[in-house]
Formats: sequence, structure tokens, C-alpha cells
Amino acid sequence: DAGITQSPRYKITETGRQVTLMCHQTWSHSYMFWYRQDLGHGLRLIYYSAAADITDKGEVPDGYVVSRSKTENFPLTLESATRSQTSVYFCASSESSTGGWSGANVLTFGAGSRLTVL
Amino acid sequence: GQQVMQIPQYQHVQEGEDFTTYCNSSTTLSNIQWYKQRPGGHPVFLIQLVKSGEVKKQKRLTFQFGEAKKNSSLHITATQTTDVGTYFCAVVNYGGSQGNLIFGKGTKLSVKP
Repeated sequence: DAGITQSPRYKITETGRQVTLMCHQTWSHSYMFWYRQDLGHGLRLIYYSAAADITDKGEVPDGYVVSRSKTENFPLTLESATRSQTSVYFCASSESSTGGWSGANVLTFGAGSRLTVL
Repeated sequence: GQQVMQIPQYQHVQEGEDFTTYCNSSTTLSNIQWYKQRPGGHPVFLIQLVKSGEVKKQKRLTFQFGEAKKNSSLHITATQTTDVGTYFCAVVNYGGSQGNLIFGKGTKLSVKP
């Protein structure tokens, strides 16, 4: 499904460098999310956003920064990458329901970005 | 914040055998969602359960929501190699300023032909 795209799909970087992972969706969904996936930990929420200029921390936000100036974009920045941030990162989006997040919102995921920090 | 325990972490079955994964919460859930991730792929939504005791079927997949809305299960009858992947349950979390979705750690299913 080309409605939500992530770039780059693969990235190798070095410790201490800044890395930005991009996420773009074409549905005008209100909600967007960043998850990281590691063996033994499943999908852990890093940051999420309910709308443009509204972001909030998830379970594992340390070392990450997000912004959402436009509804369709939700970039994730690692300001100073560490080896522990080697992971597969998934962006997801969901349309809002009346009254905001109801838990009934269904997530559509991007293809993922595999990041290796050396 | 909300947490959900999912078991088992891994399950290896012979093709044709049945498979079940369970999700358990210490608190009452408003609803629960199930996703499937194929190897090398991304999670894809399967189904949502909302009502106490609800049972939904999708071909060989049967999803149940407990009477107390604290647990859920996904049962696959007569597994096929196409069922290979990781199955996640997901529940709503209102721990932040806005709601979000928290995932269980997943059950990775492998099927031997």
C-alpha cells in the first residue's frame, strides 16, 4: 500500500551521528506513530502525534526527537545515534474518530526503516 | 501505562496442526486488536474485538475476547505455511496526553511443511 512511505529503507551510520527517518502519508490521517522493533521486545512506541504540532512521548522516547509541522509528514530524528538504537523502525498512521483516539482506530504501517548504528 | 502480556513468544508447529496465542491484561480493556507481520514485512491489521465474550472468525482464524475483557486469544485451525509470521495483539493506552496503541511482544509462528 503506497499510502504511507518511509525513507530510507536501510541506513548504516556511526555512533554520534545525527540520523533522520522520514515518514509520509497521503491519507491526511490525523494520528501518526513511530515504533521500534527489536527481538524479544516486540513493537515499542517511541513517539506519536494526534495532529500537526501535537506530539507526545511513548514508551521509549529517550534519544529521539520528532516534529510534525505538516499533517502528512512525521520525521523521527536520532540526534546522536547510539548502538542501542540499531533497530527496525516502523511508522504508522490512523484516521481519527469522533472525539479523538478511541482505541478503535486501526493502524496502517509503513514498510519500515532498518537502521544499523556502528 | 497499559501493558499486555502475550504468550507464547515462539511456537513451532507441523503443517496441519492447530495454533493458539494468548494476550492477557491486568486491567479491563475497552477493545483489542490483532495484527500479523510476515517475515521481513510490516504489521497488518487483522481484526478488532470490542464486546465481552465476542468471537469472530476469518476462515481458519478464530478470535476471542474474554468475558471480563482482560484477555484474548487467536486460534488457527490446521495451520498452513502461509500462516508463518508474528502475531501481535494491541490495546489502547491513555497514559499520555493523547491515546495511543500498545503492542504485546508478539508470538512468532513457524510452520514445518
